[in-house]
Amino acid sequence: QSVLTQPPSVSAAPGQTVTISCSGSSSNIGKYYVSWYQQLPGTAPKFLIFDNDKRPSGIPDRFSGSKSGTSATLAITGLQTGDEAVYYCGTWDASLSGGGVFGTGTTVTVL
Amino acid sequence: QVQLVESGGDLVKPGGSLRLSCAASGFSFSDYYMIWIRQAPGKGLEWIAYIGSSVDIVDYADSVKGRFTISRDNAKNSLYLQMNGLRAEDTATYYCARSYGVIINWYFDLWGRGTLVTVSS
Repeated sequence: QSVLTQPPSVSAAPGQTVTISCSGSSSNIGKYYVSWYQQLPGTAPKFLIFDNDKRPSGIPDRFSGSKSGTSATLAITGLQTGDEAVYYCGTWDASLSGGGVFGTGTTVTVL
Repeated sequence: QVQLVESGGDLVKPGGSLRLSCAASGFSFSDYYMIWIRQAPGKGLEWIAYIGSSVDIVDYADSVKGRFTISRDNAKNSLYLQMNGLRAEDTATYYCARSYGVIINWYFDLWGRGTLVTVSS
């Protein structure tokens, strides 16, 4: 059961910008770093962002992350058809059950 | 080549058992935490178990605690998931992934392609 809430879908035309929100609480996003993953259709998730706003090598700077309070945001600028995918946020959770948590996932559609 | 390759997925009856494997190559396997993450058909991601770089640190999601066992063999660069008492709700693609740790290092920079487990009579 996901405890991080994301919008089910966002869309924009090629070249435009989309933002994906990830809403949590003081026991997860409010306390720990957030990471982001891209899952292209029929493939495994791919590592996009770590420590809220850091990009691994090979990830273009069109992808950026930020965090404020108990929410995080992934922005994709200069949208391309190859960006059509489901995007997930993730972090640790300090609640009783503990462990990691993922967001509900957001489908990005390029119009 | 830096990669993770899962195997062992199959069709199994409710109550049955299955052992998944994940073969690592191209990096120093023993330096990393390893995690199993699953994805039910059409659903989101769910971490189910992690194991530290040595074998003395393990934990499980409540959904599998007491039924699944994670283990690793650093000499063989391999990760395992023993699944007992399988239920229909365990039907999913199971991914192994690499991590630098838990809590502040809880992110996964390398994923396998996944192996499908189907639990059905």
